[in-house]
Amino acid sequence: AQKITQTQPGMFVQEKEAVTLDCTYDTSDQSYGLFWYKQPSSGEMIFLIYQGSYDEQNATEGRYSLNFQKARKSANLVISASQLGDSAMYFCAMREGLGMRFGAGTRLTVKP
Amino acid sequence: ETGVTQTPRHLVMGMTNKKSLKCEQHLGHNAMYWYKQSAKKPLELMFVYSLEERVENNSVPSRFSPECPNSSHLFLHLHTLQPEDSALYLCASSQEFNFATDTQYFGPGTRLTVL
Repeated sequence: AQKITQTQPGMFVQEKEAVTLDCTYDTSDQSYGLFWYKQPSSGEMIFLIYQGSYDEQNATEGRYSLNFQKARKSANLVISASQLGDSAMYFCAMREGLGMRFGAGTRLTVKP
Repeated sequence: ETGVTQTPRHLVMGMTNKKSLKCEQHLGHNAMYWYKQSAKKPLELMFVYSLEERVENNSVPSRFSPECPNSSHLFLHLHTLQPEDSALYLCASSQEFNFATDTQYFGPGTRLTVL
């Protein structure tokens, strides 16, 4: 079974600064993908970024980038130039069986 | 409409009521999912459909009954629920159901309260 660990229950960041949200994982699969989702208080689970285990470059998507270190089994999300609208829960996830296994999440609060 | 839509967004029901949750995906995907998210618990996969056929049922009580009439629509029929069934119910879709690298896209969820 996959295991996802997010060790930061809550994080604060000043508006316009960058923040890194940590994620480590454990899997015996050779080919796998790592996903990050954002969940605002409204409840919607919004897909942010994906990293494949065989991708040679770190994924980037606008202000989001993924610091993928395969040997360390870590896939940290970096959000640059934080905005007030970035305040939300952030989940790291992997496909497991037919569904997704999510980490416990990190609640990010952006301060004005 | 784009992405994955869910109705209603909020639902309050008594234990003896019968209601249905609706999900529609506009992404041309072949697989659809129901998840339950309870307070302070990780998401739980409930049902998986691939091309309208159920491929997984994660030991969900029979008071939850899914229906997938076509690859774009998914329903969750609810009857005689318990207060502990109060949760956020999320629908998702993906291109296929069995690829480790396939992204699941979620709807906005239905927040269900059972009185």
